[in-house]
Amino acid sequence: DTGVSQDPRHKITKRGQNVTFRCDPISEHNRLYWYRQTLGQGPEFLTYFQNEAQLEKSRLLSDRFSAERPKGSFSTLEIQRTEQGDSAMYLCASSSQSTTVITDTQYFGPGTRLTVL
Amino acid sequence: DAKTTQPPSMDCAEGRAANLPCNHSTISGNEYVYWYRQIHSQGPQYIIHGLKNNETNEMASLIITEDRKSSTLILPHATLRDTAVYYCIVRPSLQGAQKLVFGQGTRLTINP
Repeated sequence: DTGVSQDPRHKITKRGQNVTFRCDPISEHNRLYWYRQTLGQGPEFLTYFQNEAQLEKSRLLSDRFSAERPKGSFSTLEIQRTEQGDSAMYLCASSSQSTTVITDTQYFGPGTRLTVL
Repeated sequence: DAKTTQPPSMDCAEGRAANLPCNHSTISGNEYVYWYRQIHSQGPQYIIHGLKNNETNEMASLIITEDRKSSTLILPHATLRDTAVYYCIVRPSLQGAQKLVFGQGTRLTINP
């Protein structure tokens, strides 16, 4: 299967600890998105990259959050000094920019479920 | 904010067609209609998208009204594995990358 992969699938941490999640997009997809989903809600956009450039960040992405995509392939999302309100599913999606198709379709990974105690 | 309105829940019998409505009365001429679904504890799965013509793929059919103010996703022969939350999303057809804005979706339950 060559879909979007995320690691770890589950993470339990104590308040105040730092956590890092990894996302591997579909091969050759140059766009990568991060979303967050809390219980009972639809996913909410956090940030996106085109190649290695981070081009948009949501207001949801506080100073404690940082995302990188150093070589334009995999991406990491780090949360520093976690709070209980950070408990959520963190979803990654990727898409391919095309010169012939105007709209790009995003394909999601399985998500990382974070629980902050 | 999401630009779509969907019923919060629907039920359908296994083997029957499931018809999921979506209202997007403020849709602009350059906006596509996308459908995703999310099975419990999994990431959203892309189903289908369209601009103004009806579309069909191996998963579903998308019927868009002529005025484009509403659409219906049709799962022709629903199975238990189709139980999921279904999201209808409108999205501009701009060249730049566009985030998806999810609403609450419709929780579809397929009953045996």
